[in-house]
Amino acid sequence: QVQLVESGGGLVKPGGSLRLSCAASGFTFSDYYMSWIRQAPGKGLEWVSNISSSSSYTNYADSVKGRFTISRDNAKNSLYLQMNSLRAEDTAVYYCARKGLEWYFDLWGRGTLVTVSS
Amino acid sequence: DIQMTQSPSTLSASVGDRVTITCRASQSIRTWLAWYQQKPGKAPKLLIYDASSLESGVPSRFSGSGSGTEFTLTISSLQPADFATYYCQQYSGFSTFGQGTKVEIK
Repeated sequence: QVQLVESGGGLVKPGGSLRLSCAASGFTFSDYYMSWIRQAPGKGLEWVSNISSSSSYTNYADSVKGRFTISRDNAKNSLYLQMNSLRAEDTAVYYCARKGLEWYFDLWGRGTLVTVSS
Repeated sequence: DIQMTQSPSTLSASVGDRVTITCRASQSIRTWLAWYQQKPGKAPKLLIYDASSLESGVPSRFSGSGSGTEFTLTISSLQPADFATYYCQQYSGFSTFGQGTKVEIK
């Protein structure tokens, strides 16, 4: 079954850190570029970060640059997002998503909720 | 950043109606545009890519058109499963999304 499953979300205090994981199955993970996209409660979608299939290239939204790090382990079919110096405005559901032939997203996970609050 | 503006924000319609949602880009994005459907508590689902290409498995009542800065998503005959929120996404530069259009029951 082709799917992405996120984990690692939870409640964290401002300034804290969290590491999200995304487990891929049912397709050749190492062939695909991957992304993290987030959605604040009741709000729209915001692209967060991209990573190339071999980890050679990474990109970040200005809102997270310098605080978040995307990575992957193709041997484990897993994508990660290390989030440091978290702020209240980082509160959101975080989705991992697979890039299609171009930079649209043809497969999404169910998401994991990150809440930043004291 | 390329800004994406959807209209309307909310649309009330009945089963069987023809529904059109518009998405405008702040600069030309050629046809680098996708449309997604999202239901409450669920992940977005890809409907249309490259402005007018239908994703595999998506019903043919969904169609997309446009190029440059103006795009439309059309549902030819609204079905009960189509009540949801719809987002456009540009991928000419780093991805940005529209603010969403909620299609609700009239």
